[in-house]
Amino acid sequence: GAVVSQHPSWVICKSGTSVKIECRSLDFQATTMFWYRQFPKQSLMLMATSNEGSKATYEQGVEKDKFLINHASLTLSTLTVTSAHPEDSSFYICSAFREVNTGELFFGEGSRLTVL
Amino acid sequence: AQSVAQPEDQVNVAEGNPLTVKCTYSVSGNPYLFWYVQYPNRGLQFLLKYITGDNLVKGSYGFEAEFNKSQTSFHLKKPSALVSDSALYFCAVRANTNAGKSTFGDGTTLTVKP
Repeated sequence: GAVVSQHPSWVICKSGTSVKIECRSLDFQATTMFWYRQFPKQSLMLMATSNEGSKATYEQGVEKDKFLINHASLTLSTLTVTSAHPEDSSFYICSAFREVNTGELFFGEGSRLTVL
Repeated sequence: AQSVAQPEDQVNVAEGNPLTVKCTYSVSGNPYLFWYVQYPNRGLQFLLKYITGDNLVKGSYGFEAEFNKSQTSFHLKKPSALVSDSALYFCAVRANTNAGKSTFGDGTTLTVKP
């Protein structure tokens, strides 16, 4: 099956710094990728839809200046958490949409962010 | 708008017994339905999907799900549970016109006891 690589798996940073998380579709091109946030024992919260070559579409309540999304190529989307605070600590997951037949989502392995 | 309900936060079964994880959905148009499994600190793994055709869908690791249009349900089942099936399970739906943007249920934690 298709592979989506997410990096880093774990990251610890200090308050006030910025952290970048990468999501790569390794064997297919993805015009659309999605970024989610997951709190412990909770569901996925869709943060934004990342569109190649255009601005991301953010869900209501998600600060676009806080969570910067860039989708500069058909295989790479990045999420940058700017001026991180401890409340940004979470598990972030990306998915890439492969537009074959009816289309299918493939998920990255997630990134655990801890802000000290 | 589309939505998914997983009414059970937790399902406990004994190893070897059948298991069911419930899911109901709401969507405009024809639904595409999915089940995913998540292990601790990992991403989601695809189990199975219903797009069209036979209402009984078979997927990975012996799991299957039955699409019931009248009840708007898509329950996940397995005839004989394994301890290794213990994980967090998510049901998801999207309209056939909604490219990729799926809505996920809150998840059900399945615990299979030896």
